[in-house]
Amino acid sequence: AQSVTQLDSQVPVFEEAPVELRCNYSSSVSVYLFWYVQYPNQGLQLLLKYLSGSTLVKGINGFEAEFNKSQTSFHLRKPSVHISDTAEYFCAVSNNAGKSTFGDGTTLTVKP
Amino acid sequence: EAGVAQSPRYKIIEKRQSVAFWCNPISGHATLYWYQQILGQGPKLLIQFQNNGVVDDSQLPKDRFSAERLKGVDSTLKIQPAKLEDSAVYLCASSPGTSGTGELFFGEGSRLTVL
Repeated sequence: AQSVTQLDSQVPVFEEAPVELRCNYSSSVSVYLFWYVQYPNQGLQLLLKYLSGSTLVKGINGFEAEFNKSQTSFHLRKPSVHISDTAEYFCAVSNNAGKSTFGDGTTLTVKP
Repeated sequence: EAGVAQSPRYKIIEKRQSVAFWCNPISGHATLYWYQQILGQGPKLLIQFQNNGVVDDSQLPKDRFSAERLKGVDSTLKIQPAKLEDSAVYLCASSPGTSGTGELFFGEGSRLTVL
C-alpha cells in the first residue's frame, strides 16, 4: 500500500517570501513522485515530477522539489512567491502499475 | 490537442436517485482514472482502467458505484442509489502510458450535490 501525508493544510506567506510545502510518503515499493497545482476554478495540472536520477527537480513557475529517500520526503520549495502562486498544491505518488495516490493538499495563500 | 472532457459539470440530485458522469480522455491515452474529491480532501482513486480493462477498483463502493470504459476510449461512472456522502467532485484523468511515470491529465470535474 502507498500513502501520502502533506504536513500542512494551510500555508500563508507574504509576497516575495520563500515557501516550503512538506510532503512525506509511504510505500513498500519504489514509487514516482509528483506535485500538482490547482488554481482557483481550474483543474489539476502537473508542477513537477521525480522519476529517477538527480534528487533535485525543477518545475514550472520557479518551483523545485527535493527527493529524500531516507526521510521518504518530497518537499516543494520556491525562493520567492508571487500573488499568482495562491492555489491548492497536491503531492502524489505513483507505482509501476500506474496507481496514483494523492495527499489531502496544502492551500498556499500569498498575501501582499 | 484537446484535453480531458467531462460532463455534466454540475449535477444536483436527491438521495436514492441515480446519476451518471461521462469522460472522454485525451486521444491515445491508455490509462483512465476516476477520482472522488470531497471538499477539503485530496483526490481519492475510485477506479483505474488500462485500455478497456480494470487495473484497480479496490476503493470503488461496488454496491452503488459502477464504471465502464467502452472500447478503451471514453468512460462512464454511475452512482445508484446516491447517498448524501456522495456529494463531491468526480475527477476524470488520463495518462499516455501504463508504467506510472507519466503525468495525469485532469478534466475540470463533475460536481455532484446530493440533497
